[in-house]
Amino acid sequence: AQSVTQPDIHITVSEGASLELRCNYSYGATPYLFWYVQSPGQGLQLLLKYFSGDTLVQGIKGFEAEFKRSQSSFNLRKPSVHWSDAAEYFCAVAPTSGTYKYIFGTGTRLKVLA
Amino acid sequence: DVKVTQSSRYLVKRTGEKVFLECVQDMDHENMFWYRQDPGLGLRLIYFSYDVKMKEKGDIPEGYSVSREKKERFSLILESASTNQTSMYLCASSLLADTQYFGPGTRLTVL
Repeated sequence: AQSVTQPDIHITVSEGASLELRCNYSYGATPYLFWYVQSPGQGLQLLLKYFSGDTLVQGIKGFEAEFKRSQSSFNLRKPSVHWSDAAEYFCAVAPTSGTYKYIFGTGTRLKVLA
Repeated sequence: DVKVTQSSRYLVKRTGEKVFLECVQDMDHENMFWYRQDPGLGLRLIYFSYDVKMKEKGDIPEGYSVSREKKERFSLILESASTNQTSMYLCASSLLADTQYFGPGTRLTVL
């Protein structure tokens, strides 16, 4: 079955520390890959996406993600976290053809300590 | 910039009422989506539409219906609201399989 797994429900880091949020997917073929962020009470905003090409993708707000085909992973990273990064982060996949149904992970809530 | 608007940020309804949630996008996107978001469950797709008057069921369509009479507008209808439909509802639009643009959400409480 197609699925997206975000194994960490909650992560707490200190401001200035590095961050890695994990995402693994199970899919028939390499899908399109996305990371979204949701601030409290808001809708989701795209951080970055991978369609093809360079497996290291740069996004907004200093985030990057690396696609590893052999591990079916698309982990999100940031070298130095800011207090404003506290939010919920969602990984998602979409098929490259046919139906346009996304599959979302269950999210990782990030808390940043001052 | 793409803008997706939802008719209400907060809504309180009574059990058995018919509820309409409206979503409008301004970027001429073919695809529009309704999700339900609950803690620990992430986003679950209720319905999506890939063209005017075209719709497909998502993962949890029971108790919901949708309407898309115009390209920019996608409505979610709760025919007879129940307490287990208390949730955050998110609308999104996209061009093909590309980025989905989300509205701010409607937090619905059914009493």
